[in-house]
Amino acid sequence: DGGITQSPKYLFRKEGQNVTLSCEQNLNHDAMYWYRQDPGQGLRLIYYSQIVNDFQKGDIAEGYSVSREKKESFPLTVTSAQKNPTAFYLCASSLGGASTDTQYFGPGTRLTVL
Amino acid sequence: GNSVTQMEGPVTLSEEAFLTINCTYTATGYPSLFWYVQYPGEGLQLLLKATKADDKGSNKGFEATYRKETTSFHLEKGSVQVSDSAVYFCALSDIDDSGTYKYIFGTGTRLKVLA
Repeated sequence: DGGITQSPKYLFRKEGQNVTLSCEQNLNHDAMYWYRQDPGQGLRLIYYSQIVNDFQKGDIAEGYSVSREKKESFPLTVTSAQKNPTAFYLCASSLGGASTDTQYFGPGTRLTVL
Repeated sequence: GNSVTQMEGPVTLSEEAFLTINCTYTATGYPSLFWYVQYPGEGLQLLLKATKADDKGSNKGFEATYRKETTSFHLEKGSVQVSDSAVYFCALSDIDDSGTYKYIFGTGTRLKVLA
């Protein structure tokens, strides 16, 4: 089955640690996205990537980093510089060529800072 | 910049009631408009979309019409079920300076349907 997988489902981090969230897709999509979801704030864009080895900052990129070494993978690292990282993180992908493209979402990773 | 505004929730309805969730947008150009649904603890799923003015998107009894004159894309369903309880997000497509498409989401509206 084609789709997007995110791992782990739940992640706990101690203050001062970096953690990496995995996102893999087998839909052969060019574009991939990372969002952060907090209660009452909807989805906020962290980073997005149209092609391999290229990515752009979204609205809240500070304290996060990404890489896009393979078309199917777009891992997100939450660094110790992110002041309030506890949130639900969603990865998405789309074909990437048109404004009409549908985004497909993974099941999410819930990150909690202890 | 482009933006999406949707009505705040929660919206609580009895089963078989009529549903309207308002969504208005601000955009330059001609974006596509989307409604996504999120069930508890899950990612978002596309519910319906419309790609140009006067288009009507529909799926599972839900409908929304792309109204350019009122910059709106309100979600409607004639008879809701308990299983429709979820959070609904309105979104539009946007393009950045490098020509890459991205999406802007509203804050979401929680719907609770009572049996």
